[in-house]
Amino acid sequence: AQKITQTQPGMFVQEKEAVTLDCTYDTSDPSYGLFWYKQPSSGEMIFLIYQGSYDQQNATEGRYSLNFQKARKSANLVISASQLGDSAMYFCAMRERFFGNEKLTFGTGTRLTIIP
Amino acid sequence: DAGITQSPRHKVTETGTPVTLRCHQTENHRYMYWYRQDPGHGLRLIHYSYGVKDTDKGEVSDGYSVSRSKTEDFLLTLESATSSQTSVYFCAISESETRDTGELFFGEGSRLTVL
Repeated sequence: AQKITQTQPGMFVQEKEAVTLDCTYDTSDPSYGLFWYKQPSSGEMIFLIYQGSYDQQNATEGRYSLNFQKARKSANLVISASQLGDSAMYFCAMRERFFGNEKLTFGTGTRLTIIP
Repeated sequence: DAGITQSPRHKVTETGTPVTLRCHQTENHRYMYWYRQDPGHGLRLIHYSYGVKDTDKGEVSDGYSVSRSKTEDFLLTLESATSSQTSVYFCAISESETRDTGELFFGEGSRLTVL
């Protein structure tokens, strides 16, 4: 089974609209973390936002918010008031810790295109 | 920003030749990772290290080996490169010792082409 599933290979959104990128996950680790990264066409990986499994409130960072629904095992990224510079690949990732070690597993990504 | 550099940034090689990619960090962090990125697959973990001489396999470790003899360097070796190993390779470090979130900081990537 996939640990991280991103079901939207690509999305087109009008500038200034809000956009939701879907992410579901699967883990038996009670203490895990969820991340979103942005990869623009230049190729670098940019950390956007983090949500811990025990966090009571949804994480927010500027125009980014994470809609965390623990029972449904979903961690959707919401971008408000989209901008042309938001066009990029977006990856959801999950951190699991085990035996004192940890690793991040990534989804396959969603390519977001903002239309002027 | 985390000080992390990868070398070489670009390499073209022939099938059957050995290749070593180097990841260097200036932050003295414990965790280091090698991922490969391919279209339709996202980033997949190859190997990771949780300390000097402590390494473990990720989900796509076949055909790759790693070594970490110093905290700052994590080497990825393709003993005999194949065309299926053509990819973009990312090194990453984690600041989880000092930050609870444990997000990864990535190098700029190394584009490897195996002909």
